[in-house]
Amino acid sequence: AQSVTQPDIHITVSEGASLELRCNYSYGATPYLFWYVQSPGQGLQLLLKYFSGDTLVQGIKGFEAEFKRSQSSFNLRKPSVHWSDAAEYFCAVGGTSYGKLTFGQGTILTVHP
Amino acid sequence: AAGVIQSPRHLIKEKRETATLKCYPIPRHDTVYWYQQGPGQDPQFLISFYEKMQSDKGSIPDRFSAQQFSDYHSELNMSSLELGDSALYFCASRRGGRETQYFGPGTRLLVL
Repeated sequence: AQSVTQPDIHITVSEGASLELRCNYSYGATPYLFWYVQSPGQGLQLLLKYFSGDTLVQGIKGFEAEFKRSQSSFNLRKPSVHWSDAAEYFCAVGGTSYGKLTFGQGTILTVHP
Repeated sequence: AAGVIQSPRHLIKEKRETATLKCYPIPRHDTVYWYQQGPGQDPQFLISFYEKMQSDKGSIPDRFSAQQFSDYHSELNMSSLELGDSALYFCASRRGGRETQYFGPGTRLLVL
């Protein structure tokens, strides 16, 4: 069975600081990995995805993530956080033939001015 | 670009009533997924359809049913509503063979 763990429930950073959100997954084969962002009461917006190839993937809004098979991780990074990045971030794994996603518990990001 | 459309966006029902949620996928997307997100929870997979056939099933209560129609839109029917059904219900769509799912804005259901 596939599963995702996001160890940090809540992270607070100052505007302009760097950010790293952790994600660990469990999946028997090569996973498809995703990061989604959700603002309060809103839908899920895709930030980036990893299917294969280059293990460092670039996404929207200046985000990037690195797939590390040896560590079963897919951490999300941003070099300089903006106040508008405050939201909840979900890591998800897919890869079954029918493509259902399994989400992590989410990490709430608070940005201080 | 066209996105996934869900209706209604908000719905208030009483216990034991029924509700129908609708999802219109992105044009040319043939796979639809339904997820339920309870308050403070991560989205949980309910059910999916590919080419109008159920393709996978998750933790969907027996009181819920869903189908995908010939125009690829999907409906989630919920009967005998319970307080615990209050949640945000997402629909997502995907074009067959490509793994990226695109999510709609969700329907917020409140059961009183």
